[in-house]
Amino acid sequence: EPEVTQTPSHQVTQMGQEVILRCVPISNHLYFYWYRQILGQKVEFLVSFYNNEISEKSEIFDDQFSVERPDGSNFTLKIRSTKLEDSAMYFCASSEGGRGSYEQYFGPGTRLTVT
Amino acid sequence: GQNIDQPTEMTATEGAIVQINCTYQTSGFNGLFWYQQHAGEAPTFLSYNVLDGLEEKGRFSSFLSRSKGYSYLLLKELQMKDSASYLCAVFKAAGNKLTFGGGTRVLVKP
Repeated sequence: EPEVTQTPSHQVTQMGQEVILRCVPISNHLYFYWYRQILGQKVEFLVSFYNNEISEKSEIFDDQFSVERPDGSNFTLKIRSTKLEDSAMYFCASSEGGRGSYEQYFGPGTRLTVT
Repeated sequence: GQNIDQPTEMTATEGAIVQINCTYQTSGFNGLFWYQQHAGEAPTFLSYNVLDGLEEKGRFSSFLSRSKGYSYLLLKELQMKDSASYLCAVFKAAGNKLTFGGGTRVLVKP
């Protein structure tokens, strides 16, 4: 069964450093997403992406964040200058799109630890 | 604004039935998703309701009343592996955005 994959599974970085989290969405899916979950808290929407541009972004997704689809398979989230409060699990998700195909399938996540 | 409420925790016995309620007040609504999340893992899709009524999928059923801003997830014939958090999420088609509630941790006891 096709699945969303993410690398790395765990990333440790120092405050102020840039990180890139990588995702490979399910191959026939057209919509891609990033969510984050701070330990013990709820899953929060960051951004949705369709047709090579951002469809919607939350107030969390400020200028420090960017997304890119550099090729036909990868989808990345870049955090330019990490802060302690960016420590969280980051989930990538994808959906087929179109009527009746709204289910979003989540990857296993990247645990980001900022020290 | 967005307000999605579900109980924090529920306990039930193996083989029993548990109903997890979710109420929502959101600006924009195009459907209601339920996800299961085991500790340290990703959410996995369980069900999606766009119209009022009951959707049944094996041991899991989900109900939606749009006029009441209310949904529930019914888990039947509980198994130990059903111990997990269950996340209610409102879907908004503009931006394909999911807004999650805080999740309900279900503990299944023998």
